[in-house]
Amino acid sequence: AQRVTQPEKLLSVFKGAPVELKCNYSYSGSPELFWYVQYSRQRLQLLLRHISRESIKGFTADLNKGETSFHLKKPFAQEEDSAMYYCALSGRNAGNMLTFGGGTRLMVKP
Amino acid sequence: GAVVSQHPSWVICKSGTSVKIECRSLDFQATTMFWYRQFPKQSLMLMATSNEGSKATYEQGVEKDKFLINHASLTLSTLTVTSAHPEDSSFYICSARGGTGRWTEAFFGQGTRLTVV
Repeated sequence: AQRVTQPEKLLSVFKGAPVELKCNYSYSGSPELFWYVQYSRQRLQLLLRHISRESIKGFTADLNKGETSFHLKKPFAQEEDSAMYYCALSGRNAGNMLTFGGGTRLMVKP
Repeated sequence: GAVVSQHPSWVICKSGTSVKIECRSLDFQATTMFWYRQFPKQSLMLMATSNEGSKATYEQGVEKDKFLINHASLTLSTLTVTSAHPEDSSFYICSARGGTGRWTEAFFGQGTRLTVV
C-alpha cells in the first residue's frame, strides 16, 4: 500500500524566514512524488514534481529514498506563499492514481 | 495548462433527492478521471477512479450504489450522489491526468460544494 504523511497541519513563519514542509512516504518501489498547492479560493494545482528537478516560485524538493522523504523547501518565504500544500505520490501499480498527504497550511506573516 | 471544469460549483438539495456533478476536460482527453471528497480542514480522500468506457473502481468504504460514476467519453465523467443525506454534504473534487505516465500532472476541477438539507 502507498501512504503519504505530512506531520505538520500548520506551519507559521515570518516573511523572509526559511521554510521546510515535511513529507514522508511509504511505497514498495520507485514512486513519483509531487507537491500540489491550493491558494485561497483557487483550485489545486501542481507546484513541482521530483522527476523535473526544478525550482518553482523559489521552492525545491529533493527525493531522499533512504529517508523516504520529499520535503519542500524555500530559503526565504514570501507572504504570497501562504497556502495549503499537499504532497502526493504516484505508484507503478496504483492505477495511475495520486495518493495525497494530509496537507500542511503555510502561513507567512509580515 | 490544461483545464478541468466542474459543474455545478455549488448545490443545495433536499434530503432524499439525487444530485449529478459533471467533470469535463476542456482541452485534452482524459482516459482516467478521479473523484475526491474533501471534508473541512482535511485532505482529499480518493473515492473512485473513473475509466472511460468501463466501470469505475471504488476505494474501500465508498458505496458504489450511493455514488454512481459514469465516464461516457474521454472528456466527461459524472458523479451522481443518490438519495442524498446530510452526511453526504461535502466538497467534491474531480481531477484528470493528461497522460498515462506516473509522472504526468493532474489537473483539478474547481470543486463542487454539496449541501444536503
